[in-house]
Amino acid sequence: AQSVTQLDSQVPVFEEAPVELRCNYSSSVSVYLFWYVQYPNQGLQLLLKYLSGSTLVESINGFEAEFNKSQTSFHLRKPSVHISDTAEYFCAVSDRDYKLSFGAGTTVTVRA
Amino acid sequence: GAVVSQHPSRVICKSGTSVKIECRSLDFQATTMFWYRQFPKQSLMLMATSNEGSKATYEQGVEKDKFLINHASLTLSTLTVTSAHPEDSSFYICSARVDRYQPQHFGDGTRLSIL
Repeated sequence: AQSVTQLDSQVPVFEEAPVELRCNYSSSVSVYLFWYVQYPNQGLQLLLKYLSGSTLVESINGFEAEFNKSQTSFHLRKPSVHISDTAEYFCAVSDRDYKLSFGAGTTVTVRA
Repeated sequence: GAVVSQHPSRVICKSGTSVKIECRSLDFQATTMFWYRQFPKQSLMLMATSNEGSKATYEQGVEKDKFLINHASLTLSTLTVTSAHPEDSSFYICSARVDRYQPQHFGDGTRLSIL
């Protein structure tokens, strides 16, 4: 079984400042790792994923996450946030069957 | 590609009625669909896994007679909340995937409010 811990429930940040959302996981088997974003009253959108290969993965809108096997972490970062990045962010882990376990979520609020 | 449509987006109904929520994969065939429930300010809780043509597998604590799931085709799964009560009010989200080697794609969710 897998589990995910998102260490920060709320992250307020000013526009154009950097942000880091922390995610740690536990699993007894090899895993896939995901970050999803949820805007108010909407479903989840896949932000980025780590399946294998390079441990640094990037999204098209400036987010990146690094898989660290020794620390069992998959932290999400963005060097400069926009107001439109205000949302709920979920870290998720799955085994090779792609059945997802989600973290509790981190609310990012970007202020001008 | 990989669009999942969920309908309705919002429903308000009286206690005791049954509500059906549809989840459709618009541009791919989904052998598996998942149903999640999300309480305010909380994460998604998996309710059940639905494979096309077979009975759904429910997670522990989820009443299968309360939450009826049908996955009759490769593009449609339905969740029926039977005899709904106020405690069933929640945000319900579905997801779909092509096969076990592909990631899940999520619908936009259904806000269910039972008065």
